[in-house]
Amino acid sequence: KNQVEQSPQSLIILEGKNCTLQCNYTVSPFSNLRWYKQDTGRGPVSLTIMTFSENTKSNGRYTATLDADTKQSSLHITASQLSDSASYICVVSPDTGRRALTFGSGTRLQVQP
Amino acid sequence: DTGVSQDPRHKITKRGQNVTFRCDPISEHNRLYWYRQTLGQGPEFLTYFQNEAQLEKSRLLSDRFSAERPKGSFSTLEIQRTEQGDSAMYLCASSLAGGSGRSGEQFFGPGTRLTVL
Repeated sequence: KNQVEQSPQSLIILEGKNCTLQCNYTVSPFSNLRWYKQDTGRGPVSLTIMTFSENTKSNGRYTATLDADTKQSSLHITASQLSDSASYICVVSPDTGRRALTFGSGTRLQVQP
Repeated sequence: DTGVSQDPRHKITKRGQNVTFRCDPISEHNRLYWYRQTLGQGPEFLTYFQNEAQLEKSRLLSDRFSAERPKGSFSTLEIQRTEQGDSAMYLCASSLAGGSGRSGEQFFGPGTRLTVL
């Protein structure tokens, strides 16, 4: 079964600090991996998207890395802000012609002042 | 606003009642997806359309669930004889199919939160 596992489940950090979220996946074959940010009660919003040939992708203070050999990805948030408080979901797109995405359960990040 | 919209945003119903949700995708997007998300979990795929054709349905989509996209634009998701276990956020997403065969980026709507009492 294709799965996406994320860790930690939840994380509390102080404003201004950095943090790294982890994602391990077993989806195969694999087309691309995305990180989404989901505010409470809202739909997910895409942060980054990487194909299997890309190792890193940045979007402002967000930097995603991908190791397709070990099937691991990380999302690093630099100089966190209160508005970063949200769930961060790792999403993998299989390369099987199926158009649906496989979502992780997310990491709930809380940034405190 | 040219994003994905969903209506209603919240729905409270009694067990056994039928409910219908609507999704309006980004206008030029030909693919439309429905997902269900329960608290603390990531979204789970329900079904997707390319234009008006429903191309895939998840095993999560029991016979009480039906989705339509009659003109290839907006879509409706109906749940008949609702059960308490149907309580969840129902998310709609749309994308533009690329010629390469790779999935285009999916843009999500704000979701409809269903509470079945």
